[in-house]
Amino acid sequence: QSALTQPPSASGSPGQSVTISCTGTSSDVGGYNYVSWYQQHPGKAPKLMISEVSERPSGVPDRFSGSKSGNTASLTVSGLQAEDEADYYCSSYAGSYNLVFGGGTKLTVL
Amino acid sequence: QLQLQESGPGLVKPSETLSLTCTVSGGSISSSSYYWGWIRQPPGKGLEWIGTIYYSGSTYYNPSLKSRVTISVDTSKNQFSLKLSSVAAADSAVYYCARRPYYGGYSFDSWGQGTLVTVSS
Repeated sequence: QSALTQPPSASGSPGQSVTISCTGTSSDVGGYNYVSWYQQHPGKAPKLMISEVSERPSGVPDRFSGSKSGNTASLTVSGLQAEDEADYYCSSYAGSYNLVFGGGTKLTVL
Repeated sequence: QLQLQESGPGLVKPSETLSLTCTVSGGSISSSSYYWGWIRQPPGKGLEWIGTIYYSGSTYYNPSLKSRVTISVDTSKNQFSLKLSSVAAADSAVYYCARRPYYGGYSFDSWGQGTLVTVSS
């Protein structure tokens, strides 16, 4: 199983929207609605932001949304705020009880 | 409130076995509603799933690490553990333990703070 493909970086100004992509294959992202997104600030543990493609856990702002089309999942952050600056990782179920992560995207708030 | 805490040596010699324990507090590791997992992150790099265990002892491992990984659970101590054998420098990473809801789409919803393990002689 190969890592999912994410852009190394993304950026946006406060108040703007930014979308981060996560590309896999029909064996992972495209085959299951089990894509998750995590936010990780420097030196901290990852925090679950989206599960099952588009479900927001309790406490996650509705500025964060997820979607999927074919083999590519996306995380959109609307109304960017300074505290959204972090690394973002996607993950997907890959069959046979396996899980695969993306390489991560560094989001910069300009 | 659920808390997970990793513990174990911060330095392991090449070819030896890395051993870490995750202690769960504020919740029962024997709950049928959750799996428990290990994820690692080499310095400056991305996340890698290592494996997952259910309270019954059922285990699921990353195929790329399967030959070297053993995850076990001790319900009496509310702990689960990771052993990674024949370690090399590439195994140096922050190791996280985490909880995965049974019906949560393979997401980890609660994480420990992580523990840095360095493989060096």
